[in-house]
Amino acid sequence: GESVGLHLPTLSVQEGDNSIINCAYSNSASDYFIWYKQESGKGPQFIIDIRSNMDKRQGQRVTVLLNKTVKHLSLQIAATQPGDSAVYFCAENGDTGRRALTFGSGTRLQVQP
Amino acid sequence: DTGVSQNPRHKITKRGQNVTFRCDPISEHNRLYWYRQTLGQGPEFLTYFQNEAQLEKSRLLSDRFSAERPKGSFSTLEIQRTEQGDSAMYLCASSLARQGNSPLHFGNGTRLTVT
Repeated sequence: GESVGLHLPTLSVQEGDNSIINCAYSNSASDYFIWYKQESGKGPQFIIDIRSNMDKRQGQRVTVLLNKTVKHLSLQIAATQPGDSAVYFCAENGDTGRRALTFGSGTRLQVQP
Repeated sequence: DTGVSQNPRHKITKRGQNVTFRCDPISEHNRLYWYRQTLGQGPEFLTYFQNEAQLEKSRLLSDRFSAERPKGSFSTLEIQRTEQGDSAMYLCASSLARQGNSPLHFGNGTRLTVT
């Protein structure tokens, strides 16, 4: 299959551990943030989103934290599984109310069995 | 499968030829987006439609690129006089318009190779 993200920052974790993937965004006018997972040969898959009026949102095994003061976004994955191995992208809308998304450069997550 | 569908999955063309890609969004979604992704990079926004109206275009969308969504359903992206630098994965996404933003749902892309 096609390889996504050949030279990306890599986070390597043991199966069962928690993973934290970080993202710094640049535009203080962004009011919508989202995390995607991308496996080789596939398009990005939606994980979780958060709006700027919140600082934390939880899903199934995932939590997104938003710190608007320092323009930082993180994705926490609990009890990481081999199937979580992929490239993870954060994205922001780049301007208040803008509908399109601007993506970051991604982080590769490798889960060791 | 009711996800976003893109065709073809792969396209190899010679420099200078024209190519056209098709995207069929999720049926109830009225917003449709085109992105381009090269190896090692995140997707880069090209353009988006709400229904048949093209509401935003990136500076990346040169005069050789044109996108249409004539009936507010499927969309096509055409690249004229292809160049080797056009080689990339072209991703389509759709979303359901509501007050505020909503997640984009991506297809698996069309991989373009220009020789």
